[in-house]
Amino acid sequence: DIQMTQSPSSLSAYVGDRVTITCRASQSFSSYLNWYQQKPGQAPKLLIYAASSLQSGVPSRFSGSGSGTDFTLTISSLQPEDIATYFCQQSYSTPWTFGQGTKVEIK
Amino acid sequence: QVQLVQSGAEVKKPGASVKVSCKTSGFTFNIYGISWVRQAPGQGLEWMGWVSAYNGDTKYAQNLQGRVTMTTDTSTSTAYMELRSLSSDDTAVYYCARSKSVAAAKGTFDYWGQGTLVTVSS
Repeated sequence: DIQMTQSPSSLSAYVGDRVTITCRASQSFSSYLNWYQQKPGQAPKLLIYAASSLQSGVPSRFSGSGSGTDFTLTISSLQPEDIATYFCQQSYSTPWTFGQGTKVEIK
Repeated sequence: QVQLVQSGAEVKKPGASVKVSCKTSGFTFNIYGISWVRQAPGQGLEWMGWVSAYNGDTKYAQNLQGRVTMTTDTSTSTAYMELRSLSSDDTAVYYCARSKSVAAAKGTFDYWGQGTLVTVSS
């Protein structure tokens, strides 16, 4: 199974800050990497697919990059509505596995 | 618009089975795949398996093999997940999620159900 490791586990930032979350895979798989946002009490929501493609309807302040084993989710200017937990997930091979999540809070 | 609406919360005793439904609308159900993902209280996301609404093919997580069955009913555009021999470790919110593509992006989930809480307690 491919293990996905996110860092940090949590972060606190000011509104307007640039926020970066990283995800490392235990083996290389090109760009089969997705990012999801989950707010408390809600289902996850797809933000980024194929490492860098923005899902329809998602604000352009979200972006993704990376390939191989190292991937990044960036929020260019943190907004209050971005408070959530973010998960990376590999869709290269089953079992499709998720990172442990990064909780984003406002300072 | 695409919608996935799941059945309501369940309380089960250890050793029992649970069957969760996921009724879909707003897209051509029988050409997509549906995955099931669960989340234990305060924990992360665990992929449980995938079923093709096109031909019924399935892929299951190895740790659930033999205890889980995923099916679809194309006449009602509904997917089902049955989990047997429940234990307290199965207490979680269970989500259904649609595969983003009928081809390459099976493992990318673009629409999700609202979740079904399954509580296993004696």
